[in-house]
Amino acid sequence: DIQMTQSPSSLSASEGDRVTITCRASQTVSDYLNWYQQKPGKAPTLLIYATSSLQGGVPSRFSGSGSETDFTLTISSLKPDDIATYYCQQSFTAPWTFGQGTKVEIK
Amino acid sequence: QVQLQESGPGLVKPSGTLSLTCAVSGGSISRTKWLSWVRQSPGKGLEWIGEIYHSGSTNYNPSLRRRVTVSVDQSKNQFSLELTSMTAADTAVYYCATTYCTTPSCEIWYFDLWGRGTLVTVSS
Repeated sequence: DIQMTQSPSSLSASEGDRVTITCRASQTVSDYLNWYQQKPGKAPTLLIYATSSLQGGVPSRFSGSGSETDFTLTISSLKPDDIATYYCQQSFTAPWTFGQGTKVEIK
Repeated sequence: QVQLQESGPGLVKPSGTLSLTCAVSGGSISRTKWLSWVRQSPGKGLEWIGEIYHSGSTNYNPSLRRRVTVSVDQSKNQFSLELTSMTAADTAVYYCATTYCTTPSCEIWYFDLWGRGTLVTVSS
């Protein structure tokens, strides 16, 4: 199985801050890397697919980059509505695996 | 608008079998690529359990393969999960989800629709 490791596990930032979350794969996943946002009590929703493609309706302050084993999700200017847990997920090879999540809070 | 809804028991006894159903409304299940089950427990985060193609082909997580069966009933527009030999470690919120493929080959895909999830507790 491909292990996905996110860092940090949690972070606290101020509104308007630039936030960066990293995801590292235990072996290459090419660019088959998706990012999801999950709010408390809700199912995950897709933010970005194939490393950097923004899902329709997702604000442009979200962006993704990376390749092979190292990936980044960036929120350019943190909003209160961005308070959630973020997960990366590799779609390169089964079993499909997720990172452990990064919980984002506002100071 | 396609929606998914999980249903099943919220409580399962240790060594028992979990049976969950995901009803698909607002669209035909035959137009969907892969149909998956994903669970989320505090200790293990999000874990993919298995998937089924509308034609019946399946893939399972090797860690659960011996205990899991995913099936589809196109006539009822639903798919199901069966997980045997349940233990406390299987306590989790169980989600059904569909896959969206951006190309016909499904090389690039993601989980696009999710049910609300159903909490399953394993306890006597």
